[in-house]
Amino acid sequence: SQQGEEDPQALSIQEGENATMNCSYKTSINNLQWYRQNSGRGLVHLILIRSNEREKHSGRLRVTLDTSKKSSSLLITASRAADTASYFCATDAGGSNYKLTFGKGTLLTVNP
Amino acid sequence: EAEVAQSPRYKITEKSQAVAFWCDPISGHATLYWYRQILGQGPELLVQFQDESVVDDSQLPKDRFSAERLKGVDSTLKIQPAELGDSAMYLCASRKQGTSYEQYFGPGTRLTVT
Repeated sequence: SQQGEEDPQALSIQEGENATMNCSYKTSINNLQWYRQNSGRGLVHLILIRSNEREKHSGRLRVTLDTSKKSSSLLITASRAADTASYFCATDAGGSNYKLTFGKGTLLTVNP
Repeated sequence: EAEVAQSPRYKITEKSQAVAFWCDPISGHATLYWYRQILGQGPELLVQFQDESVVDDSQLPKDRFSAERLKGVDSTLKIQPAELGDSAMYLCASRKQGTSYEQYFGPGTRLTVT
């Protein structure tokens, strides 16, 4: 079963604009990760935020986490056509297995 | 940069046939995962190995799916017999030992069952 639910399911923007994707989850977590998947390819890890963190930055990426609302957001600033991909949040509930539960993803299209 | 290798990249098979996928994780990564990803969905964990041992196969349909990692390095996922509903992308991922949470994914095997 999938814990995370991304919103929106699809997002289309122009190059240079910012893109914001949201993720909600149901149970307590140890950390939350965001992955990118280009069409027909494997997933690539983007950024991880721990349960005791509220915000994290990496290049053009900004992730926030609100554990009281069980939600996270991923902001991509100054988007590029190469950012076109599906973005997934994945939650790690803790434990020795380091098991990830993925959401359904947001399909981002950045138009040149 | 080291990568997770998977083969084949694409597989078309008829229902009731057997099919197998292979994965070679990044060298030194003790944890290996097999996921199934249906089109338009996120990956769902099928089985997780720690070295050669299965630590989670709760979502693996054991009547038709099997997985092994005999020497704790590469791994094989088998489906026998394949059903139409098995059409999906099969992804392998590995994770470094310790408290590194990041998973590294291979390119996947796209399975089509006809």
